[in-house]
Amino acid sequence: GENVEQHPSTLSVQEGDSAVIKCTYSDSASNYFPWYKQELGKRPQLIIDIRSNVGEKKDQRIAVTLNKTAKHFSLHITETQPEDSAVYFCAASMGIQGAQKLVFGQGTRLTINP
Amino acid sequence: ETGVTQTPRHLVMGMTNKKSLKCEQHLGHNAMYWYKQSAKKPLELMFVYSLEERVENNSVPSRFSPECPNSSHLFLHLHTLQPEDSALYLCASSPSRGTYEQYFGPGTRLTVT
Repeated sequence: GENVEQHPSTLSVQEGDSAVIKCTYSDSASNYFPWYKQELGKRPQLIIDIRSNVGEKKDQRIAVTLNKTAKHFSLHITETQPEDSAVYFCAASMGIQGAQKLVFGQGTRLTINP
Repeated sequence: ETGVTQTPRHLVMGMTNKKSLKCEQHLGHNAMYWYKQSAKKPLELMFVYSLEERVENNSVPSRFSPECPNSSHLFLHLHTLQPEDSALYLCASSPSRGTYEQYFGPGTRLTVT
């Protein structure tokens, strides 16, 4: 089955700097790669996603890149702010009868230092 | 946020008890999911339902029994649990076409004593 590795497990950056989180996946059939943000005590929420027919996607300060050959995708956050502090999860997914089977990475705890 | 709701929010049960977790989505989605979140495995898929049919059972022990009576409701029936089953149980839903985004509920914090 699919396996997703996420690094680093913790990341601390100065406010205003950039943060990068990397993930690798094992199953070449995976075709959808979302990133979720989970603040303390709250539910995971989608922040950006990318499908396998696209190499890069950007939404304001957040961008995701996908290298299908290397089975590797990354989250980039620029101009970090204190409210970016949270746990971030990557996932790889394939469709299954009208649903999506998501396999998540272990998560990255991002801390933005003022 | 009221899109996906879960009850109860907290549950303490003994190893011999039987209890059920409930999830309800008000988004008109056709797929629903159960996840287990713990320190060991932060977000682990348990079950997937599409149009009320179970399409994935991710090697979950039989002491967890899901039920999806309609596309808006999902239950997780619990019996004879172990202390290591203590975790946050999250429900999610997604549409069957268009966006693949899964919307999560707030979770039920389960403690098995």
